[in-house]
Amino acid sequence: GESVGLHLPTLSVQEGDNSIINCAYSNSASDYFIWYKQESGKGPQFIIDIRSNMDKRQGQRVTVLLNKTVKHLSLQIAATQPGDSAVYFCAETLNDYKLSFGAGTTVTVRA
Amino acid sequence: DTAVSQTPKYLVTQMGNDKSIKCEQNLGHDTMYWYKQDSKKFLKIMFSYNNKELIINETVPNRFSPKSPDKAHLNLHINSLELGDSAVYFCASSIRNEQFFGPGTRLTVL
Repeated sequence: GESVGLHLPTLSVQEGDNSIINCAYSNSASDYFIWYKQESGKGPQFIIDIRSNMDKRQGQRVTVLLNKTVKHLSLQIAATQPGDSAVYFCAETLNDYKLSFGAGTTVTVRA
Repeated sequence: DTAVSQTPKYLVTQMGNDKSIKCEQNLGHDTMYWYKQDSKKFLKIMFSYNNKELIINETVPNRFSPKSPDKAHLNLHINSLELGDSAVYFCASSIRNEQFFGPGTRLTVL
């Protein structure tokens, strides 16, 4: 199996609500984690990243949380909008070059 | 102003044929990659080049051969195409950590 995976393959969320997308990883040596967003027909797009020496990082409407004790990563999206509908991937790496991607969570925003 | 571009966007071909996918980046990045995304959306790295040198070569059949004529280009040539090669292929480039992906090439082998 892969070292990075997501708990849920799909997530349906009401517009305006907050979204939480979870990811579990098994390689405790990974030191860098990234969340990507992939819209239909497009390539993955970088959202936010976090190093293993941090446990929280905030961006614009997004927050990534890292819990190294249980090897868990999450992406929180505040006030989810229709444009947030996409597949979200977490990825991990040991050496900044070779990314290992999880299976992805498909987020659908309900109007 | 396209960052990472790929051609063609769609490629439909018969089993046994040889085809190439081209990738170019105008970001000035040193490192480029090829990924394969299967029908379940799972993304897996295939190759990576840094300054035209191969640095990552995953367990990929030798029918797949990447070629990097210069730092801005990384092409993927596939010989003797098989049904299982049908997928979306993404090129990416990076400087340090953040990888920028191209729009993808959907390859369909009939």
